[in-house]
Amino acid sequence: DAGVTQSPTHLIKTRGQQVTLRCSPISGHKSVSWYQQVLGQGPQFIFQYYEKEERGRGNFPDRFSARQFPNYSSELNVNALLLGDSALYLCASSPSGTGISLGETQYFGPGTRLLVL
Amino acid sequence: AQSVSQHNHHVILSEAASLELGCNYSYGGTVNLFWYVQYPGQHLQLLLKYFSGDPLVKGIKGFEAEFIKSKFSFNLRKPSVQWSDTAEYFCAVTILTGGGNKLTFGTGTQLKVEL
Repeated sequence: DAGVTQSPTHLIKTRGQQVTLRCSPISGHKSVSWYQQVLGQGPQFIFQYYEKEERGRGNFPDRFSARQFPNYSSELNVNALLLGDSALYLCASSPSGTGISLGETQYFGPGTRLLVL
Repeated sequence: AQSVSQHNHHVILSEAASLELGCNYSYGGTVNLFWYVQYPGQHLQLLLKYFSGDPLVKGIKGFEAEFIKSKFSFNLRKPSVQWSDTAEYFCAVTILTGGGNKLTFGTGTQLKVEL
């Protein structure tokens, strides 16, 4: 079975530009979460979507937005890019929206490495 | 808000040495705890998790972790490491709010196992 897939794998943008990152969850998974991993740090939670609705938002500015489609895939958009947005962006999927508290596992994709110049 | 601390940022061990990586969290309520591993060039993978029951949890590849509620700790252990265990290890926690799947990660421990 295919795992979580993300595209593109690498991206270079300049300050002020906008970027869209894409994620396809594991088949049958309805929840997608996004994380930002800056070099030398652990992943930081950005968003969680379940059944196309936002279920959680981390401490990120409004320049960050996301959405989930009927097929449960998801996009993360970042506007007005800053140098500090350079990071690995991870997508994770799980079967349901709250099941992690019942022992459900989040499965991570390989990430999209974004470099802002 | 919950937070996770991993005290060892870099650990170097020889093969067959024993491993213990520290993880402490700050949250007074009920938590679920996880250890993820990231091998070089690969994505994050779940090593083990605790959500209820026996506080001693066994995971893949011979790893185990013990949840000690009184110490807010969830340390990862392996009796004898192998060169292939070289990777970055992340401790993570989620609180039982029923409101979503937010994982809070520690900063990670880079483990290097030398032959």
